[in-house]
Order: sequence, then C-alpha cells, then structure tokens
Amino acid sequence: GQQLNQSPQSMFIQEGEDVSMNCTSSSIFNTWLWYKQDPGEGPVLLIALYKAGELTSNGRLTAQFGITRKDSFLNISASIPSDVGIYFCAGHDSTDKLIFGTGTRLQVFP
Amino acid sequence: EAGVVQSPRYKIIEKKQPVAFWCNPISGHNTLYWYRQNLGQGPELLIRYENEEAVDDSQLPKDRFSAERLKGVDSTLKIQPAELGDSAVYLCASSLDQAEELFFGSGTQLSVL
Repeated sequence: GQQLNQSPQSMFIQEGEDVSMNCTSSSIFNTWLWYKQDPGEGPVLLIALYKAGELTSNGRLTAQFGITRKDSFLNISASIPSDVGIYFCAGHDSTDKLIFGTGTRLQVFP
Repeated sequence: EAGVVQSPRYKIIEKKQPVAFWCNPISGHNTLYWYRQNLGQGPELLIRYENEEAVDDSQLPKDRFSAERLKGVDSTLKIQPAELGDSAVYLCASSLDQAEELFFGSGTQLSVL
C-alpha cells in the first residue's frame, strides 16, 4: 500500500539536543498528523495540521504543514529520554484515507 | 474511561491455521479501523467501519481475511488460513467519526511459523 516517505529513518542523539524529521509525499494531502509509537503500543497522536502553511506547537514539539501540501516537518526541542520511540507522519489523501509514513526511530542518550 | 481494547496481545500459530483478533472500541465511537503494521513500517489500513457497515475494505485480502462488526460495537478480524507473510502487528483504532482523531489499541502481535 501507499506510504509516505520519512527521513531520517533513525536518529541517535544526546539528551538536550534538538531533533528535526520530515515527511514527503508525491501527492497532495488534506491533513498532516504526527504520531509517536512506544514499543508494544499503538501510535498516539501528537500534533494535527489542517491548513497549508500551518505551524503548530505542542510543548516542545513544533510541526508545520508544507505550503505545497506535499510535505511536513516535526521538530522536538531539548530532547529528553522519554522522547525515545518511533515517530510517524500521517496524512489524509484525496479519498480521506489515512496514510502513514515509514517512521523515524529516535534514540536519546543521557 | 478505557481506551481501545484488543485481545490477544500475542498469538503464535502454524501456517494454514486460522486465527482471530478481537477489538472493543472506545464507547460511543462510530468509526472502527483495522490496520496491519509490518516490522519497521507504518500501519496500513485493512478495513474501516462506519457503525456496522464496512465502508472501505479495498486493502483487505478477501481470499483469506474477513472482518465483522456486529451491532456496530466490537469487531473481529479473522485470517483463514494464515500464511507466513501474515506475521505482523494488527492494530485496531476507533474515532468518533471518520474526520476525528484516531485512538489506537495496543495491537495483537501475530507470528506465523
């Protein structure tokens, strides 16, 4: 099935560092969502974006809906150990189906 | 309030055996989804229900997979017979309606030997 392209595939950073990851699509999406998945759990919604160009923050997380509607980025500032997990972008396509990205695995070292 | 509940958490079966997964969505959520997540990948939609009606099953391999949502509440996903390539995590999610936030269960990890 169709999946969005996320990069990087994995990141290994030190506690306190900022993190940036992005997601691209070959087609236009109507919404962009960012999820976090912990081991053995289902994804949990972090941020939802509904308009092209929209910039939204949730605590230390900031995400933007690309102006072309084909991309989005997620930034995490001042990372902490509990930020460890897999981050997925997702978007609703023209048929309103929610498509997920391939994931970015984040590891934070103290 | 309880979240989306799935059972079992883990299932190990031999190929060609049948298997079933159960999902209890959040109370009042009309939309229910089954996703499959292969190792190292994001979830992929198998089927979406609006109440008891399957409104998107285009990604469901209908030769061996079946699903039902009786009375528009709990749902069951079945595979018969299972193949080696069916090993994955099967996630159930629910939302108030299709445009609202999805809440995921913890998933059932299936291993087919």
